[in-house]
Amino acid sequence: NAGVMQNPRHLVRRRGQEARLRCSPMKGHSHVYWYRQLPEEGLKFMVYLQKENIIDESGMPKERFSAEFPKEGPSILRIQQVVRGDSAAYFCASSPQGPANYGYTFGSGTRLTVV
Amino acid sequence: KQEVTQIPAALSVPEGENLVLNCSFTDSAIYNLQWFRQDPGKGLTSLLLIQSSQREQTSGRLNASLDKSSGRSTLYIAASQPGDSATYLCAVRRRSGGGADGLTFGKGTHLIIQP
Repeated sequence: NAGVMQNPRHLVRRRGQEARLRCSPMKGHSHVYWYRQLPEEGLKFMVYLQKENIIDESGMPKERFSAEFPKEGPSILRIQQVVRGDSAAYFCASSPQGPANYGYTFGSGTRLTVV
Repeated sequence: KQEVTQIPAALSVPEGENLVLNCSFTDSAIYNLQWFRQDPGKGLTSLLLIQSSQREQTSGRLNASLDKSSGRSTLYIAASQPGDSATYLCAVRRRSGGGADGLTFGKGTHLIIQP
């Protein structure tokens, strides 16, 4: 039973390019969460999705960032026109349906470097 | 707004010692509290999950306690080993309406176990 799979592990983008980060939840998990970890900062919640629905995006920057979790395929976190300040580790987590009593399982993260 | 604080920020102890990591949170309306371990450049590994109705959880040499009313949790590590060296993160899952369901993390305790 594979865990939460994130790819790529490392991503380098030039300023102004687009970054696409992918997350496949654990088998049987229908809830996906994205977190960002800036250097020397704690992990910050970005967005919570279920299949085809964004449930809570209160942690997402208002511009350039978007997320989706389509009916088929992985969840995608998309960052348009990246800037140096977007350099961070982006982690995806998943949990089963009816999440209140369950913990989260995290992926290994995607480390984005903007040059 | 939920805030999570972890003390100490860093800790270095000789191998074999028992140690306690502390976590405090400001809003006691939580579903659960989860302790994670993060190795440098890696993802998060879940260590222990304590539901809001529970007082403690144990796994091997690890024991986590929860005092929801006072907003505190401790992670006790017995007979520490060099392999325990990592950053330990505490996170609470907030209780709220409208689908908001993110974890709030502390900044972590960076633990070094000296051989």
